[in-house]
Amino acid sequence: EPEVTQTPSHQVTQMGQEVILRCVPISNHLYFYWYRQILGQKVEFLVSFYNNEISEKSEIFDDQFSVERPDGSNFTLKIRSTKLEDSAMYFCASSDGTGVNSYGYTFGSGTRLTVV
Amino acid sequence: AQSVAQPEDQVNVAEGNPLTVKCTYSVSGNPYLFWYVQYPNRGLQFLLKYITGDNLVKGSYGFEAEFNKSQTSFHLKKPSALVSDSALYFCAVRALMNTGFQKLVFGTGTRLLVSP
Repeated sequence: EPEVTQTPSHQVTQMGQEVILRCVPISNHLYFYWYRQILGQKVEFLVSFYNNEISEKSEIFDDQFSVERPDGSNFTLKIRSTKLEDSAMYFCASSDGTGVNSYGYTFGSGTRLTVV
Repeated sequence: AQSVAQPEDQVNVAEGNPLTVKCTYSVSGNPYLFWYVQYPNRGLQFLLKYITGDNLVKGSYGFEAEFNKSQTSFHLKKPSALVSDSALYFCAVRALMNTGFQKLVFGTGTRLLVSP
């Protein structure tokens, strides 16, 4: 069964450092997403990406965040200057469409980011 | 705004007994509802979805969910719980954003604990 792959599974970084979280979506999917789950809290939408541009972003997704699809297979989330409150599990997801018949999302296994 | 509520932080059930994890929703228009499961240190795994049709939806690992429009509920059920079902369960609803793209709005999660 096709999978969304995320690397690394766990990253520890110092406050103020830049981190890049990587994702390989399912190959024939065209819509890509990042979600975040702060420990013990609910999963929250960050950003959606289609046709090489951001289609929607939440209020969480401020100027320190950026997304990119650099080579047609990877989908990355960059956090420019990490803060302690960025510590969370970050999930990548991809989907085959946006309509009512689309399967829905396939999520990756997540990257646990710890900012110290 | 679309939202889902999971009123129970934790559900305890003995192995072999039936289980129910509750979810109620608030949407404008037709609801597209999902259940995901998260095992420790793992990603979100899709269990089942309701888009239209039969109110009883069957999913992975023997789970099913009953869509009840009058009660605006989408409870997750399983006739006979297994210890291995112990995990965190999230109900989610699809929300259409201004651009027509979708995102998932998650509930706060319910921890299911199945005792031997």
